[in-house]
Amino acid sequence: EAAVTQSPRNKVTVTGGNVTLSCRQTNSHNYMYWYRQDTGHGLRLIHYSYGAGNLQIGDVPDGYKATRTTQEDFFLLLELASPSQTSLYFCASSESERLFFGHGTKLSVL
Amino acid sequence: GDSVTQTEGQVALSEEDFLTIHCNYSASGYPALFWYVQYPGEGPQFLFRASRDKEKGSSRGFEATYDKGTTSFHLRKASVQESDSAVYYCALGDRSNTNKVVFGTGTRLQVLP
Repeated sequence: EAAVTQSPRNKVTVTGGNVTLSCRQTNSHNYMYWYRQDTGHGLRLIHYSYGAGNLQIGDVPDGYKATRTTQEDFFLLLELASPSQTSLYFCASSESERLFFGHGTKLSVL
Repeated sequence: GDSVTQTEGQVALSEEDFLTIHCNYSASGYPALFWYVQYPGEGPQFLFRASRDKEKGSSRGFEATYDKGTTSFHLRKASVQESDSAVYYCALGDRSNTNKVVFGTGTRLQVLP
């Protein structure tokens, strides 16, 4: 079974703070994704990547950067966090359009 | 851009009721269509997919048929159980855009014993 691990599981920061969410997959999948999940909006795609060094822009990219350092690791960066970025963040990996999700990171921006 | 619409935000049923959750999509060509299920405290899990017109996907008693004419992929189950209580997401894969996968807003299913 595919394994996607996110860290941290919970994070609290203040407005203007700097946050990095981490994701590691151990399945050698080419594609990795970052989504945010909010009530009434479902899952919205922030950024995705199809390999180390590659980055594709999703549907809600404003205020987020991402970097894929290796096949396994995909990071989401919030350089000036705002309360509107309080959300549950999911990372996923995929090889043939079937996504395998991590357990999520709950981020609170005060 | 491509999009998925789920009209029901919440559905409440009794055990053994018939379930329908509606999903309509907007996309060019033949996107792959998916259903995912999310249990509390977990990430979404793949349920099944379909990739061409009239193809039926199914898993765990759930099924949906790809209908290009009505641009729909409605989820159905003949007899729900309390353990089916979860959030269900319809999604589409844009094969022309490096595997971009777009989700609907989700439908919360509550099955009462």
